[in-house]
Amino acid sequence: GENVEQHPSTLSVQEGDSAVIKCTYSDSASNYFPWYKQELGKRPQLIIDIRSNVGEKKDQRIAVTLNKTAKHFSLHITETQPEDSAVYFCAAEYGNKLVFGAGTILRVKS
Amino acid sequence: EPEVTQTPSHQVTQMGQEVILRCVPISNHLYFYWYRQILGQKVEFLVSFYNNEISEKSEIFDDQFSVERPDGSNFTLKIRSTKLEDSAMYFCASSGDRLASGANVLTFGAGSRLTVL
Repeated sequence: GENVEQHPSTLSVQEGDSAVIKCTYSDSASNYFPWYKQELGKRPQLIIDIRSNVGEKKDQRIAVTLNKTAKHFSLHITETQPEDSAVYFCAAEYGNKLVFGAGTILRVKS
Repeated sequence: EPEVTQTPSHQVTQMGQEVILRCVPISNHLYFYWYRQILGQKVEFLVSFYNNEISEKSEIFDDQFSVERPDGSNFTLKIRSTKLEDSAMYFCASSGDRLASGANVLTFGAGSRLTVL
């Protein structure tokens, strides 16, 4: 079926530490994997995405890795800051839509 | 930066009433979507719309739901007879030309919070 599993559901890190969130998907035909950040009461906002023709993409403190063989992808945030605290959703493209993971609540403690 | 705009931001309605949620997608986008998010849960796909017709819908999108693009700018979601479990945040999203971008890069609106009493 069309499924995206996301772990962990909550993650607490100390300011300055790294955070890693992992997702797996079920359809090997999926080729696009975005990550969205959602602050409380606000819209999901795209922070980084990766297509299946690359294995890694980096944008400042944020990076995403993709393993197509294993059907999993990960978000890495380095040097975390309090403003990184939010809910992070991974997603995978299935046909004409994105299917989202259940979300990870990231808390960065200062 | 272009935005997807949604109205109303919050609507309270009685069970059984009809509700219309409105969206203005980004002007040069071709693909339109409705998603919903029940409080504290994940973002769930409802429907995608392209070339003036539904291209895909989820099992949530039953006969009580419909979408329409009545003119060149608006994209609406109608719930004919609301139920308590329809209470959620409804997000509209749009994306550009898939052939050019190679993927559905979605831009979300700010959402319409629906409360059914």
